[in-house]
Amino acid sequence: QVQLQESGPGLVKPSETLSLTCSVSGGSFSNYYWSWIRQPPGKGLEWIGNIHSSGNTKYNPSLRSRVTISLDTSKIQFSLTLTSVTAADTAVYYCARVLGSWLDWGQGTLVTVSS
Amino acid sequence: IQMTQSPSSLSASVGDTVSITCRPSQGVSNDLGWYQQRPGKAPTLLIYAASKLLSRVPSRFSGSGFGTNFTLTISGLQPEDFATYYCLQLYSFSITFGQGTRLELK
Repeated sequence: QVQLQESGPGLVKPSETLSLTCSVSGGSFSNYYWSWIRQPPGKGLEWIGNIHSSGNTKYNPSLRSRVTISLDTSKIQFSLTLTSVTAADTAVYYCARVLGSWLDWGQGTLVTVSS
Repeated sequence: IQMTQSPSSLSASVGDTVSITCRPSQGVSNDLGWYQQRPGKAPTLLIYAASKLLSRVPSRFSGSGFGTNFTLTISGLQPEDFATYYCLQLYSFSITFGQGTRLELK
């Protein structure tokens, strides 16, 4: 059974860059989409973007100018970079494995943007 | 694609039957899933491909629909079912979520 684990700083200063990594174990890396999703406190889920195991990416248009998702197949990890963060980027960030409408989720990590 | 999920909140009693609806702005075949989220936890999959129940999920949960109209029904609510529910669809490599339905104990 696949397991996903997010890691990265829990506090980021405004205007700086948020970087998170998702480590994958117990499953194949190939032929899946890998996704980042976030949830601001008390709010709903927001899709950030996907990367396919082939390296193709697609991002939420509202975040596209600030987001990069990348793969490290040797480490079986994928990463999120979000630049120029503001308080509005404070959220629990989830990574997920995607197969159609079936998502396997990490437990999530809270990132707070504050000086 | 925009996703309209309704209602945004719902009050019900143990034993009741409730339904939640998701309507994508354009047809997504049957590629829609339903997720349950408890406070402080990640969402968990209940139903995928509109109507396929995950093996560990109780049979009181059911999903139906196709195209632009999907429904999650919970028949005979149990105390552990009071949570927030989201629909999700994957279309053209993009994911869209419904706004969520908070199911509360009356």
